[in-house]
Amino acid sequence: GAVVSQHPSRVICKSGTSVKIECRSLDFQATTMFWYRQFPKKSLMLMATSNEGSKATYEQGVEKDKFLINHASLTLSTLTVTSAHPEDSSFYICSASREGPDTQYFGPGTRLTVL
Amino acid sequence: AQTVTQSQPEMSVQEAETVTLSCTYDTSESNYYLFWYKQPPSRQMILVIRQEAYKQQNATENRFSVNFQKAAKSFSLKISDSQLGDTAMYFCAAFTGTASKLTFGTGTRLQVTL
Repeated sequence: GAVVSQHPSRVICKSGTSVKIECRSLDFQATTMFWYRQFPKKSLMLMATSNEGSKATYEQGVEKDKFLINHASLTLSTLTVTSAHPEDSSFYICSASREGPDTQYFGPGTRLTVL
Repeated sequence: AQTVTQSQPEMSVQEAETVTLSCTYDTSESNYYLFWYKQPPSRQMILVIRQEAYKQQNATENRFSVNFQKAAKSFSLKISDSQLGDTAMYFCAAFTGTASKLTFGTGTRLQVTL
């Protein structure tokens, strides 16, 4: 149990366009989901915490208007990168908590490349 | 604020041998959780082991065990009988109720060789 999927696994888009990434908990209900960004050979940086039915909580320095997060159901959260720029190119990872927010199960990640 | 430090950027171990990865952390809270996550080349983060701070007994999961030294704020991971599939980046992480988020260390890249 505790499987989290992400779609797409890879996406290439043009500068100025928007990209949506989906995160799903496949075999459990997740009241809390998290979105991370990981640069090459670096650690994970938390971008925002998403609770079902409420607004996401963004970390300091993360533009909420650029990285739109929606947690519409207990099994789905989406991250939309709006007006993407090359500097947004990165590896984005979501996670979902089952028992409590401390133990998180991670999706396989999405590699975003903005041309 | 909580911090997690991994002082070993890279380590290497021969197959079937034992290796220990170091991690220290800092938090002012009395109740917290500590984790080791594995990130293989596929980049899928996998939970290896979880330790609750109020439990004195060290957590174990098959070949993986931790040495939790609360007073020293140390949380090392021991991998016994290393296998080629253990080759990965290993991240130590801490979670506190106040912050309500995982704080990761910078990671240790482990290479298991024949």
